[in-house]
Amino acid sequence: DTAVSQTPKYLVTQMGNDKSIKCEQNLGHDTMYWYKQDSKKFLKIMFSYNNKELIINETVPNRFSPKSPDKAHLNLHINSLELGDSAVYFCASSQDSGSNQPQHFGDGTRLSIL
Amino acid sequence: GEDVEQSLFLSVREGDSSVINCTYTDSSSTYLYWYKQEPGAGLQLLTYIFSNMDMKQDQRLTVLLNKKDKHLSLRIADTQTGDSAIYFCAEKAGGYQKVTFGTGTKLQVIP
Repeated sequence: DTAVSQTPKYLVTQMGNDKSIKCEQNLGHDTMYWYKQDSKKFLKIMFSYNNKELIINETVPNRFSPKSPDKAHLNLHINSLELGDSAVYFCASSQDSGSNQPQHFGDGTRLSIL
Repeated sequence: GEDVEQSLFLSVREGDSSVINCTYTDSSSTYLYWYKQEPGAGLQLLTYIFSNMDMKQDQRLTVLLNKKDKHLSLRIADTQTGDSAIYFCAEKAGGYQKVTFGTGTKLQVIP
């Protein structure tokens, strides 16, 4: 009965490849997020969707494209992977974007670029 | 713009109190949160405080907010080895109520 689940947990691939990370939440939340955590543990928001609509899009290369087929899913596709993309990517969800309700995080996807 | 700062490292002895500090810059903050991240895991919400409150206590955790100085602290009483983790403060502010996370404080508890 995992609340926010991401797949895969580990992803090792070569530079230049295209890969996707999937995220699903079973909490009935309206808002979902993608975060990137670098090797120094700094956590930066990348995207946020509210009910399938993009509401936050930070300065992220065009190679990153989020897709939300429904409000329970937010996937992240990355084209032409680069060494600097190596990080842990966290998906999160919250009841909505405006209330005090906190974000619930997945366990992360550890992406390593060779 | 928003900026949330924390000291990077804190070491305490088991049984002592830990105090983790955080400063933020966005005066429109509405909610402030503390999250805990254990090795290899995601972030787990510990507690949160509304910006019009000064203090919140939840078992061993006490959150203090000084809105004038934009300073937030988390006190853990009777620190245990299981409390060893990275602690993130976060603020919710702005038009879409974006959550900005601090730099994280790694808490090491010495037995």
